[in-house]
Amino acid sequence: ETGVTQSPTHLIKTRGQQVTLRCSSQSGHNTVSWYQQALGQGPQFIFQYYREEENGRGNFPPRFSGLQFPNYSSELNVNALELDDSALYLCASKGGGFDYGYTFGSGTRLTVV
Amino acid sequence: AQRVTQPEKLLSVFKGAPVELKCNYSYSGSPELFWYVQYSRQRLQLLLRHISRESIKGFTADLNKGETSFHLKKPFAQEEDSAMYYCALSPYNNNDMRFGAGTRLTVKP
Repeated sequence: ETGVTQSPTHLIKTRGQQVTLRCSSQSGHNTVSWYQQALGQGPQFIFQYYREEENGRGNFPPRFSGLQFPNYSSELNVNALELDDSALYLCASKGGGFDYGYTFGSGTRLTVV
Repeated sequence: AQRVTQPEKLLSVFKGAPVELKCNYSYSGSPELFWYVQYSRQRLQLLLRHISRESIKGFTADLNKGETSFHLKKPFAQEEDSAMYYCALSPYNNNDMRFGAGTRLTVKP
């Protein structure tokens, strides 16, 4: 039982639309990261939140934004969807220090048509 | 910026043979390195951490700072080891984690 749940599991959106993906982290995990995993690629770091503030960001445009809430849930928002945004989006959380690994959710498969 | 390279996308060995999955990294500071594994139809999960120097499911990985490598090894592969393996790097005292592209390991009977 990993304790990280993501919703929805699958989603189809039209180019130009906006989408919100949700994640419920493991209780006590105050760090959450979001990753984009394209087919055949490793997870690419989007951003990270610690205690409700963004404290790290990968090479993604501002139309990718997020929120973290006090109840260990978080959101990934993507505006003006593009076809290349089609991917598996992973949420991962952890507590403890830098040397602890992440616990991953199963992901949300987003398809942009 | 940190970078993780896994030079082999696919690796196939026979059951009982030794296996080594390669991982090279570039980072100017002191990194923390991890191996993650994803079995078929399961979520990504932590296999082992560099700092713990542990052996998990018979796998070990040694950090070689001179060669900037963190190869994953197992002396005798089992069919249940077939999975996707990702090497990941986190800069010291920073929670940002970067992944390699992954190596798909197939252990044949």
